[in-house]
Amino acid sequence: TQLLEQSPQFLSIQEGENLTVYCNSSSVFSSLQWYRQEPGEGPVLLVTVVTGGEVKKLKRLTFQFGDARKDSSLHITAAQPGDTGLYLCAGAASGTYKYIFGTGTRLKVLA
Amino acid sequence: DAGVTQSPTHLIKTRGQHVTLRCSPISGHKSVSWYQQVLGQGPQFIFQYYEKEERGRGNFPDRFSARQFPNYSSELNVNALLLGDSALYLCASSHRGLDQPQHFGDGTRLSIL
Repeated sequence: TQLLEQSPQFLSIQEGENLTVYCNSSSVFSSLQWYRQEPGEGPVLLVTVVTGGEVKKLKRLTFQFGDARKDSSLHITAAQPGDTGLYLCAGAASGTYKYIFGTGTRLKVLA
Repeated sequence: DAGVTQSPTHLIKTRGQHVTLRCSPISGHKSVSWYQQVLGQGPQFIFQYYEKEERGRGNFPDRFSARQFPNYSSELNVNALLLGDSALYLCASSHRGLDQPQHFGDGTRLSIL
């Protein structure tokens, strides 16, 4: 069974702090996506990482794909209250037709 | 351009009933997938369809079924509803399949009484 484990599960920080969310698996993924979901809405795609070792930046968010394509991280610099939400990594493990989501990280940024 | 649209947005059913949920993908997207999200958890994969064919299936009982129409829209059917089926049901579309980013609708909130 392919699993994507995220850590931490919950994170409450002050505005202006930095944070990193991790997404780990024992399976290889051809690509991984990161989403943010707010209550009552569907997940919104933030980024796709495809190449092992790839780093992508989206304003204050930096995403990295592990060299072996089994893990990924999301780093937020100078967090703002608008960053509050549920962050999910997801992907289809190589050779499968199942799209799986990570366990999720619920972030709250306090003003 | 319109995003993924789902209907209805909310639905209340009783145990044993049947439900049909509908999804229209982004124009040009040929793949649709369905997910169940229980409160406090990440979405769980139910089905993926591409060009009207089932490509993938998650660990859900046979009470769950789906189909994709020639216009690429899709329906998810659930029979013999149980209390545990209460969840947010999400539909996502992509150009070809699960190796591409999924674009999600806002879901159908299903409550079973």
